[in-house]
Amino acid sequence: DGGITQSPKYLFRKEGQNVTLSCEQNLNHDAMYWYRQDPGQGLRLIYYSQIVNDFQKGDIAEGYSVSREKKESFPLTVTSAQKNPTAFYLCASSAGLAGGPLRNEQFFGPGTRLTVL
Amino acid sequence: AQSVTQPDIHITVSEGASLELRCNYSYGATPYLFWYVQSPGQGLQLLLKYFSGDTLVQGIKGFEAEFKRSQSSFNLRKPSVHWSDAAEYFCAVDPKAAGNKLTFGGGTRVLVKP
Repeated sequence: DGGITQSPKYLFRKEGQNVTLSCEQNLNHDAMYWYRQDPGQGLRLIYYSQIVNDFQKGDIAEGYSVSREKKESFPLTVTSAQKNPTAFYLCASSAGLAGGPLRNEQFFGPGTRLTVL
Repeated sequence: AQSVTQPDIHITVSEGASLELRCNYSYGATPYLFWYVQSPGQGLQLLLKYFSGDTLVQGIKGFEAEFKRSQSSFNLRKPSVHWSDAAEYFCAVDPKAAGNKLTFGGGTRVLVKP
């Protein structure tokens, strides 16, 4: 089955440690996205990538970093510079710029809940 | 400014009653429109989408949405809710302009009373 996987589902880290969240898709999508979701709030875009080896900052990129070395993978690193990293993180993918109306129809992974102790 | 608004933060509905969730947008041209649902602790699932054509769109799980150009709205409806419809619902807009991304509304949390 095609889809998006995120691992792990729950992640605990000590304050000051960097942590990397995994996101893999087998939908052959060009575009991938990372969102942050806090309780009672909507989705806030952290980073997105329209194509391999390229990515752009979203609305709340400070304290985060990404890479896009493979089409299937878009890992997110939460660095120690992120002031309040405890949140629910969602990865998504879409067909991208070549997809016509489907370019922004996003498919989501199950999410990773990060708790910093 | 371009925006997507879901005016209702919370809605409580009795099981078996009808449900309508509001979504308004402010963009120059008619955008592509989406509704997503999120169960607690889960990712988002696409319910339905509107690109063009018939303004009444059918989706999964018995949901439908109606695009009204004159009101810049894309409201989601279900004739009879089930307890399993308790979730958070997000409206999203693709402005269609090159390089623009999907913009999400703030979400509406639906509680279903037995």
